[in-house]
Amino acid sequence: DAMVIQNPRYQVTQFGKPVTLSCSQTLNHNVMYWYQQKSSQAPKLLFHYYDKDFNNEADTPDNFQSRRPNTSFCFLDIRSPGLGDAAMYLCATSSDLGAPYNEQFFGPGTRLTVL
Amino acid sequence: AQKITQTQPGMFVQEKEAVTLDCTYDTSDQSYGLFWYKQPSSGEMIFLIYQGSYDEQNATEGRYSLNFQKARKSANLVISASQLGDSAMYFCAMSPNAGNNRKLIWGLGTSLAVNP
Repeated sequence: DAMVIQNPRYQVTQFGKPVTLSCSQTLNHNVMYWYQQKSSQAPKLLFHYYDKDFNNEADTPDNFQSRRPNTSFCFLDIRSPGLGDAAMYLCATSSDLGAPYNEQFFGPGTRLTVL
Repeated sequence: AQKITQTQPGMFVQEKEAVTLDCTYDTSDQSYGLFWYKQPSSGEMIFLIYQGSYDEQNATEGRYSLNFQKARKSANLVISASQLGDSAMYFCAMSPNAGNNRKLIWGLGTSLAVNP
């Protein structure tokens, strides 16, 4: 089945130790998104890629970076995680090709704990 | 500014009964889409149903239907014959149709508990 995959599902890191979260998709969608979701809150968009074009949200801290080496993969790098970065990180994809609306398909998420 | 409002932080429903989750939106756009997503405790965000602003009929997907009242700017989700597996967070979201803005505007969510 076509899907969005996130690895790992659970990640524990230490304060200040860089961490990378990965997302892959078999949907061949041209748009990929990274969201941060804290407990009992709505998802917050960090950035998205439209093909290779990177689109950062104005309020996304510099501590968060992303890479998209090809259509299928996208990575979220947190350079120096702080305690406030503990959250669920959701990857999503969508297609602008022939779709009348921006339905986003989500992965299962990576739950990040910062010690 | 575009905004989604979900006024029910938590809802309870008896198994097999219907429940309505409220969503109102604010936009000056003429063309937009409205979505409902379900998020179980496992964390995955599951797409449920979509309504386009120009769609004249209310959207339906199995036990889910969307009560779209454009003049009132409301897009309530109706779940019929609730099941225990429906217990989850439900988010209403809005997006412009196509164009360069691909952001979803999210509501704060409603936590639904289905009682046996």
